[in-house]
Amino acid sequence: DAMVIQNPRYQVTQFGKPVTLSCSQTLNHNVMYWYQQKSSQAPKLLFHYYDKDFNNEADTPDNFQSRRPNTSFCFLDIRSPGLGDAAMYLCATSRGGGIAKNIQYFGAGTRLSVL
Amino acid sequence: GDSVTQMEGPVTLSEEAFLTINCTYTATGYPSLFWYVQYPGEGLQLLLKATKADDKGSNKGFEATYRKETTSFHLEKGSVQVSDSAVYFCALLTQGGSEKLVFGKGMKLTVNP
Repeated sequence: DAMVIQNPRYQVTQFGKPVTLSCSQTLNHNVMYWYQQKSSQAPKLLFHYYDKDFNNEADTPDNFQSRRPNTSFCFLDIRSPGLGDAAMYLCATSRGGGIAKNIQYFGAGTRLSVL
Repeated sequence: GDSVTQMEGPVTLSEEAFLTINCTYTATGYPSLFWYVQYPGEGLQLLLKATKADDKGSNKGFEATYRKETTSFHLEKGSVQVSDSAVYFCALLTQGGSEKLVFGKGMKLTVNP
């Protein structure tokens, strides 16, 4: 049973055309994360929400935004995608609040192509 | 800052061969350590974890021991299978304030029949 669901699995957009990726979870976890993973590289954390508190990484470009309207859903908005933004985008969740509760559960990812 | 260094590969093994993937870390305090696996076209799955020194994590025949004295968390499996073909990431969970996963660069393993 999928617990962290990302839609779509594959997304193609045009250079400069805004795109939104979605993530939902059935785990009722407090924390939701967005990572960017480029080919043959480690995932790189973009930002995360702890409940409604948004935490942006210092080196995340302003072009990337996020919304979390409720516990279950989190969105990644790329306002003006460039060719360098083509990557796999991974959503993850965790319960938060201590080491034992901080195991992160990942979705299958959305592979974004920018034409 | 905190960091993870691991063997990058790619590595190709024959079925039933012994596997070791080295992982060392640099961190303040006593981080939790993880191995994640990523099968082709999928997201990351937690393979095993250890939260304190000398803990041994194990799952699906894989093992790793948290060695504080050598700041290492090497992954081992005695006999790999074709189905173990994947990318393996070593990671640590930073401590204090906002806890985050810091990943190594990953190692691609291919197991041939």
